[in-house]
Amino acid sequence: DGGITQSPKYLFRKEGQNVTLSCEQNLNHDAMYWYRQDPGQGLRLIYYSQIVNDFQKGDIAEGYSVSREKKESFPLTVTSAQKNPTAFYLCASTTGHNTGELFFGEGSRLTVL
Amino acid sequence: AQSVAQPEDQVNVAEGNPLTVKCTYSVSGNPYLFWYVQYPNRGLQFLLKYITGDNLVKGSYGFEAEFNKSQTSFHLKKPSALVSDSALYFCAVRDLGGSYIPTFGRGTSLIVHP
Repeated sequence: DGGITQSPKYLFRKEGQNVTLSCEQNLNHDAMYWYRQDPGQGLRLIYYSQIVNDFQKGDIAEGYSVSREKKESFPLTVTSAQKNPTAFYLCASTTGHNTGELFFGEGSRLTVL
Repeated sequence: AQSVAQPEDQVNVAEGNPLTVKCTYSVSGNPYLFWYVQYPNRGLQFLLKYITGDNLVKGSYGFEAEFNKSQTSFHLKKPSALVSDSALYFCAVRDLGGSYIPTFGRGTSLIVHP
C-alpha cells in the first residue's frame, strides 16, 4: 500500500539533545512538508521541499533542520536550539500540481523531559 | 497573501442532526479549497476538495461542502451526524497561480452527542 510512514510514533528527549524524526513516502510525490501542531494553534509549517536536494524554510524553521537527499525521504532534526520542542509533528506529501491534496503521516509526538 | 478562517473553535451537534463546520478564505486569485479530518493522535485525512466546476462538492464519509465565491466561504456539511464524526476538522486553501504552500485554518473541534 502506498503512503507516508513517520517514525518513531513517540519520542522522549532530554534537554540539549538533538533528535531526528523520519518521514518516508512511496507515493512518488515530489513535494514534502513538515508541520508542527500544538493545541489550539492549528498547523504551522516548519520546512518544505518541492524537489530532491532543495528545501525551503517555513514559518517556524528556527531550531530545526532538514535534508532531501532522496525523493522518498525527508527527515527532520529538532536541534537543541529549539526552545520549546514538545509538540506533535506531521509530515505530508503531495504531487507536483497545485490542485493536489496533501497526504499525511500518522505523526510523531516529541516530549522533552 | 492567502488566509483561512474557521470562526468556531468547537461545534456541538446531536447525533442524527445536520452539521455545518464553517470556513472562509482570502486569496488574490482563484482558490483551491480542501477539508481534512484529524482523529486524536493521528495524521490528517483528506475529505474533499474544490478545484473548479460544481459548487457542491461531495467527499468521503457522506460529507459535502459548498463553495460560495461571493461570500468567500467553503462550509463543510453533513445531513445526519454520527458520533464517530467527532474529530478535529481543518480547512485549507491554495491560490491558483500563487503560493504552492497550502494555508490551514486553526481547526474546528466537532463533537457529536449521542
